[in-house]
Amino acid sequence: NAGVTQTPKFQVLKTGQSMTLQCAQDMNHNSMYWYRQDPGMGLRLIYYSASEGTTDKGEVPNGYNVSRLNKREFSLRLESAAPSQTSVYFCASSEIQSSGNTIYFGEGSWLTVV
Amino acid sequence: GENVEQHPSTLSVQEGDSAVIKCTYSDSASNYFPWYKQELGKGPQLIIDIRSNVGEKKDQRIAVTLNKTAKHFSLHITETQPEDSAVYFCAATPYGNNRLAFGKGNQVVVIP
Repeated sequence: NAGVTQTPKFQVLKTGQSMTLQCAQDMNHNSMYWYRQDPGMGLRLIYYSASEGTTDKGEVPNGYNVSRLNKREFSLRLESAAPSQTSVYFCASSEIQSSGNTIYFGEGSWLTVV
Repeated sequence: GENVEQHPSTLSVQEGDSAVIKCTYSDSASNYFPWYKQELGKGPQLIIDIRSNVGEKKDQRIAVTLNKTAKHFSLHITETQPEDSAVYFCAATPYGNNRLAFGKGNQVVVIP
């Protein structure tokens, strides 16, 4: 049972480059999320998708775009990477986007922008 | 929006002792309070949660208590073991959405 799978695990980018973080879940969940984790800042929501075909901004959406490709997959794109986007990114999913539904996290993607 | 704060930021305990982490939240509409454990190099994993209609929940060596009046909830770990060493995050979300507001995390170190 893979759960939530993210790729790549590690990436180094130059300022201004673009890249896409891929995420897939095999739990048939309706809702998916992208978080970033920075030292001393906890986990902050970037974007979420309550269900297939919908996406909404979270707490820190600037500089990012997302695509809910299908029910399983939710990608995060950095169009022009900046050093401030150096972070650990976590994809997550839950059965539905309603309070009380357990959110399951992937293993994380470490991104460094130089 | 919801603001969640955790105290203390770092906690060291002797193996076998108890550890307590406290979180406060600001939004009285919050009704779901999960705790996540994050081991080094891994993603956060849910260890216990509580809903606003109960005051305490236990699962083996861990328990969570909720005081809605004071707007705080706490994680209690008894008989700590080295594998309890990790970062623990509390979170809160109001009814109707699953947009968890996370605290900044507590580093728990269990000293053998």
